[in-house]
Amino acid sequence: EPEVTQTPSHQVTQMGQEVILRCVPISNHLYFYWYRQILGQKVEFLVSFYNNEISEKSEIFDDQFSVERPDGSNFTLKIRSTKLEDSAMYFCASSERLDQETQYFGPGTRLLVL
Amino acid sequence: DQQVKQNSPSLSVQEGRISILNCDYTNSMFDYFLWYKKYPAEGPTFLISISSIKDKNEDGRFTVFLNKSAKHLSLHIVPSQPGDSAVYFCAAMRSGGNKLVFGAGTILRVKS
Repeated sequence: EPEVTQTPSHQVTQMGQEVILRCVPISNHLYFYWYRQILGQKVEFLVSFYNNEISEKSEIFDDQFSVERPDGSNFTLKIRSTKLEDSAMYFCASSERLDQETQYFGPGTRLLVL
Repeated sequence: DQQVKQNSPSLSVQEGRISILNCDYTNSMFDYFLWYKKYPAEGPTFLISISSIKDKNEDGRFTVFLNKSAKHLSLHIVPSQPGDSAVYFCAAMRSGGNKLVFGAGTILRVKS
């Protein structure tokens, strides 16, 4: 069964450093998403991406964040200058269509900012 | 953001009995609802969904009920199995949107 994959599974970084989290969505899916879950809190939407553009973003997704689809398979989330409060599980998801469509999630990347 | 609420942090059920997980929402623009199951250190796994034009959807042991007037949905698992022990998240999406809004989750423990 096709699945969303994410690398790395864990990332430890120093505050102020740049990190890139990688995702390979399900191959025939056209819509891609990033969510995060800070420990003990809800899963929160960060951004959605379609046709090489951001289609929606939350207020969390500020100028420190960017997303890119550098080739036909990868979808990345970059945090330019990490803060302590960026420590969280980051989940990538994808869906085949937009409205009333199931989003399938990857296993997540646990990011720890020291 | 309290648009989707799961008021029970945990639920314990005997194997073979019914598990009922509840979810309330406040945003009347939500028209698609999903339940996800999550094990520790894994991503959310899709279980079942329901559109606002329906009041029930069933898939094997899992049934989701939607009461639009009460802005309430529930997930029934019957019979419950020990492997169902996980965190269950309710999520909602509004019409034309692509952002899922999640509840806080309910930890289900099925005792054998």
